[in-house]
Amino acid sequence: GDSVTQMEGPVTLSEEAFLTINCTYTATGYPSLFWYVQYPGEGLQLLLKATKADDKGSNKGFEATYRKETTSFHLEKGSVQVSDSAVYFCAALLRVQGAQKLVFGQGTRLTINP
Amino acid sequence: DSGVTQTPKHLITATGQRVTLRCSPRSGDLSVYWYQQSLDQGLQFLIQYYNGEERAKGNILERFSAQQFPDLHSELNLSSLELGDSALYFCASSVGFRGTDTQYFGPGTRLTVL
Repeated sequence: GDSVTQMEGPVTLSEEAFLTINCTYTATGYPSLFWYVQYPGEGLQLLLKATKADDKGSNKGFEATYRKETTSFHLEKGSVQVSDSAVYFCAALLRVQGAQKLVFGQGTRLTINP
Repeated sequence: DSGVTQTPKHLITATGQRVTLRCSPRSGDLSVYWYQQSLDQGLQFLIQYYNGEERAKGNILERFSAQQFPDLHSELNLSSLELGDSALYFCASSVGFRGTDTQYFGPGTRLTVL
């Protein structure tokens, strides 16, 4: 069935390192794609989104490009900070049981060390 | 602060009991969504209401029910609780019912079933 798969964590990096978190989806057509971030003790926040193929979403230094050829939406940041430590969720808007729903990947915990 | 409020923050109860979780959406938002986040199942969509009417259903158990009231707040009722129902329950809201509308998440209610 339709699903979202993201890179397993946890991921630990040093400050100013380059970050990539992989995300791929399985679906019919080209669903809208999202990255959410969950800081400790908080709910999820939308980080960025792309609603059609080849779109690039960006926010707070993070970027992700919708690649229909590889059905991917990898999250990248050129220089991470300690404050980026959080759990990151990739999500796709999929049609499940006749209605559009957000389907999330399993989440990737990111820890940035100073 | 997303503007979405959830009460209570924590709930501890016993197997077989019934609990009610409450959610107030952001001012002006008509849609409310409920999600369950657990270690083994990840983040799963349960149900969506739009302006008082059920809009979409996910993997919600028959023991669970929800409603949205005329003032747009929503309640999620969980009955005949089992150990496996222990999880973080999130509410989210959006202005409309389209899947591409940004969903704003509350801080969650942590349910522990003993």
